[in-house]
Amino acid sequence: EVQLVESGGGLVQPGGSLRLSCAASGFTFSSYSMNWVRQAPGKGLEWVSYISSSSSTIYYADSVKGRFTISRDNAKNSLYLQMNSLRAEDTAVYYCARGHITIFGVVTHFDYWGQGTLVTVSS
Amino acid sequence: QSALTQPRSVSGSPGQSVTISCTGTSSDVGGYNYVSWYQQHPGKAPKLMIYDVSKRPSGVPDRFSGSKSGNTASLTISGLQAEDEADYYCCSYAGSYTKYVVFGGGTKLTVL
Repeated sequence: EVQLVESGGGLVQPGGSLRLSCAASGFTFSSYSMNWVRQAPGKGLEWVSYISSSSSTIYYADSVKGRFTISRDNAKNSLYLQMNSLRAEDTAVYYCARGHITIFGVVTHFDYWGQGTLVTVSS
Repeated sequence: QSALTQPRSVSGSPGQSVTISCTGTSSDVGGYNYVSWYQQHPGKAPKLMIYDVSKRPSGVPDRFSGSKSGNTASLTISGLQAEDEADYYCCSYAGSYTKYVVFGGGTKLTVL
C-alpha cells in the first residue's frame, strides 16, 4: 500500500524557517517524481514544487521561488521542503503528492497524496 | 485567483447528474490532454478521480466521467450519491518552469 506521511509543520514567525518532510513507503520511491502542493485555509489547491526521481530537474511556483528548496533522499525514501523567509501568505496545509509523468517529463496527474501538515506563519 | 476557472458550487438530487466545468487557456487545458480531477472531503487529502481528461483510476466508480472541448474540461457525475458531496478540483499541466501545473479554484458539490 502506497503511503505518504508528512511532518514538520507548525507555528513559525514571519521571516522564519521550517523544514517539511514526507516519508514514503509501499512503492519504489526512487522511480517516481514528487511534488509539494499546498492549500491555504478555506482556499483551493496550489502547486508549489516538483522534483524528478533523480533530483536532476526541479521546478518552483513563482510564489515560492528563491525562498523554498525541494530535495529528496532516495536512500531514505524521503522528500523535503526547506522553507525560508516565510510569510503570512505561506500559511497552508502542505501535501506531498506522487507525480505520474510521461517519458518527456510531463506531469499528467498526482496519483497519491499524503494527509498533509499544517504550517502557520504568524507573530 | 486560480489559473483555471470553476463554478464555486453546483448541486443535484440523489440519482441526478451534474457537470462541473473547468476553463483554462490554450497554454494549459487546451494545449494538452493532461487534465485531472480530484475529490476532497472536508479535512481529508485530495483523491484522484480522473486523469488524462477521461481516464478513471482503479476503484473510482464509472459514475464519474471526464471530457474536454477546446479550453474547457468537464467532470460529470451521474447517479449522484450522498457520499459524492465534496469539493472537486481540476488540474492541468501548464508547460512552463514556474507554472508547471495549475489548479482550478474548486467547486463545492452539494447533494440535496
